[in-house]
Amino acid sequence: QQQVKQSPQSLIVQKGGISIINCAYENTAFDYFPWYQQFPGKGPALLIAIRPDVSEKKEGRFTISFNKSAKQFSLHIMDSQPGDSATYFCAARGATQFYFGTGTSLTVIP
Amino acid sequence: KAGVTQTPRYLIKTRGQQVTLSCSPISGHRSVSWYQQTPGQGLQFLFEYFSETQRNKGNFPGRFSGRQFSNSRSEMNVSTLELGDSALYLCASSPSGANEKLFFGSGTQLSVL
Repeated sequence: QQQVKQSPQSLIVQKGGISIINCAYENTAFDYFPWYQQFPGKGPALLIAIRPDVSEKKEGRFTISFNKSAKQFSLHIMDSQPGDSATYFCAARGATQFYFGTGTSLTVIP
Repeated sequence: KAGVTQTPRYLIKTRGQQVTLSCSPISGHRSVSWYQQTPGQGLQFLFEYFSETQRNKGNFPGRFSGRQFSNSRSEMNVSTLELGDSALYLCASSPSGANEKLFFGSGTQLSVL
């Protein structure tokens, strides 16, 4: 059973556009929600993270929006660039491990 | 500081064989976690080792095992390989826990024929 559900599976965005990736979870005990970025041939790298007591966190062009009541959170990439083309994973922290979404393959067209 | 190093980068095995993957964590990190990454399934937690002891385990069959050495380096072993074991196996290290900030290696791509 997938603890964290991620959508869409793939996303194509024009350069300069906004990329939005969504995740949902069920376990209210999760207490930390990171996003990871993975380029081909590389392992995932932490991009940005949020705690559930905050509704939004922004770092440069990357923003996490968090809706605790709906148990949903999303990653917004503003002014998307071809260099942002990668696979993005959301995750949620449990007591002993992280639970990852299934990933979103983002392609930014020049 | 050197990052997480995984060897080998690629492996091709046949069904029924066994395989051993290696992971060297970031210096000073005592926790090593292993994940299986497959298309459509994302990252699935295999197990975590800390101070040479398996501390947590995911929902994988006993064919998947691991160990950690006194220098925190870790190995993962898969016995009696099945076609469905084809995946990217990722190792992640953290200072003291599998639920802290994770630093991933580039993975070992295993193909089972």
